[in-house]
Amino acid sequence: QSALTQPPSASGSPGQSVTISCTGTSSDVGGYNYVSWYQQHSGKAPKLMIYEVTKRPSGVPDRFSGSRSGNTASLTVSGLQAEDEADYYCSSYAGSNNLVFGGGTKLTVL
Amino acid sequence: EVQLLESGGGLQQPGGSLRLSCAASGFTFSSYAMSWVRQAPGKGLEWVSGITGSGDTTCYADSVKGRFTISRDNSKNTLYLQMNSLRAEDTAVYYCAKDRYGAPRGGFDIWGQGTMVTVSS
Repeated sequence: QSALTQPPSASGSPGQSVTISCTGTSSDVGGYNYVSWYQQHSGKAPKLMIYEVTKRPSGVPDRFSGSRSGNTASLTVSGLQAEDEADYYCSSYAGSNNLVFGGGTKLTVL
Repeated sequence: EVQLLESGGGLQQPGGSLRLSCAASGFTFSSYAMSWVRQAPGKGLEWVSGITGSGDTTCYADSVKGRFTISRDNSKNTLYLQMNSLRAEDTAVYYCAKDRYGAPRGGFDIWGQGTMVTVSS
């Protein structure tokens, strides 16, 4: 159960696009269509932003999109806004009812 | 309103025990898998344990296997986490989270507010 690998930080200016990567293995990210992304503002509970690699829950702006290539999933935030500044975590199903999170990425809006 | 409300956190000595509860409302509790996710101070999220909607299958992170037990009472719409042999490294905010599926798959669409567990002498 090794944690997924995310860059510790990412940044962009308002209106720009930023992509955060999440690298795992063929036993988790690359092996199942159960990759999720969460947004967490300081002191708050996480919020689901993307599930099943590319799907957005109701109420999540379409500025947020998910994708995957091989064992690496990505979250892209387009048209950055100040309120997008937060920590972002990926997670993946890893088989046998086990789950794993990434280490988290702090997104700064410059 | 869909809601999860955790309770039971607090200060405990190393080697001690605590039982966390998570009361669910606003959805058909028995239809969905549930998990506990923790976050140590200043650290990232760590999945701790999950249980299927029916309660017949449980799973644990290696870091808590053999020490923690997850369970649920679908008649009371409540999730539990029995934590034994507590260690300093178990200090964290513990969140309960509702999965989108009947088995643990990680699409946590509802989270509680979290309950703080501190393990210290």
